[in-house]
Amino acid sequence: GDSVTQMEGPVTLSEEAFLTINCTYTATGYPSLFWYVQYPGEGLQLLLKATKADDKGSNKGFEATYRKETTSFHLEKGSVQVSDSAVYFCALTEPFTGTASKLTFGTGTRLQVTL
Amino acid sequence: DAMVIQNPRYQVTQFGKPVTLSCSQTLNHNVMYWYQQKSSQAPKLLFHYYDKDFNNEADTPDNFQSRRPNTSFCFLDIRSPGLGDAAMYLCATRLGTRVGGEQFFGPGTRLTVL
Repeated sequence: GDSVTQMEGPVTLSEEAFLTINCTYTATGYPSLFWYVQYPGEGLQLLLKATKADDKGSNKGFEATYRKETTSFHLEKGSVQVSDSAVYFCALTEPFTGTASKLTFGTGTRLQVTL
Repeated sequence: DAMVIQNPRYQVTQFGKPVTLSCSQTLNHNVMYWYQQKSSQAPKLLFHYYDKDFNNEADTPDNFQSRRPNTSFCFLDIRSPGLGDAAMYLCATRLGTRVGGEQFFGPGTRLTVL
């Protein structure tokens, strides 16, 4: 079955540091890939997505590139802010219509950014 | 703004006392999901509706039920909450006809069982 593996947290960085959160996946087809962010006490918000190989998703300074050859979708940001402190989930879904297209989540990575 | 709304945001119930959580959406999405999320874990899918068709996950306890009276609303009923059911409950929606479409999540309802 499908699976997503992401790096263990927590990740603690100083403000303006470079961020990488690794994510690799196993899927039978050509999944769509997502990064969701969850701030404390809130639901999940879509941060970015990519639906085919070599697509780059980007939003709010975050980027991730769909690498089919390495089955990876690593999240990066050049300069983190305290407000980026949250839990980040990598996820995939098989691109079939007419079905539930269930999300397969990684375990989540907690990011803490300090001044 | 189109969105997914969950009420209440915080719910306290007593052990064994039935509770209902609600979700509404203005996105006109035909697929709706209910997730349970415990502390420091990824969300766990309980069930989903594709249009009116209900689909239960194999490991969802019978204690959890759901209703979808129309496209916009979906309810999660917990018939006899136990202490282990304390969690964040997330509702999500998706447009089923869109290939690779993302799920849109509500803010969640945090359930406390006393």
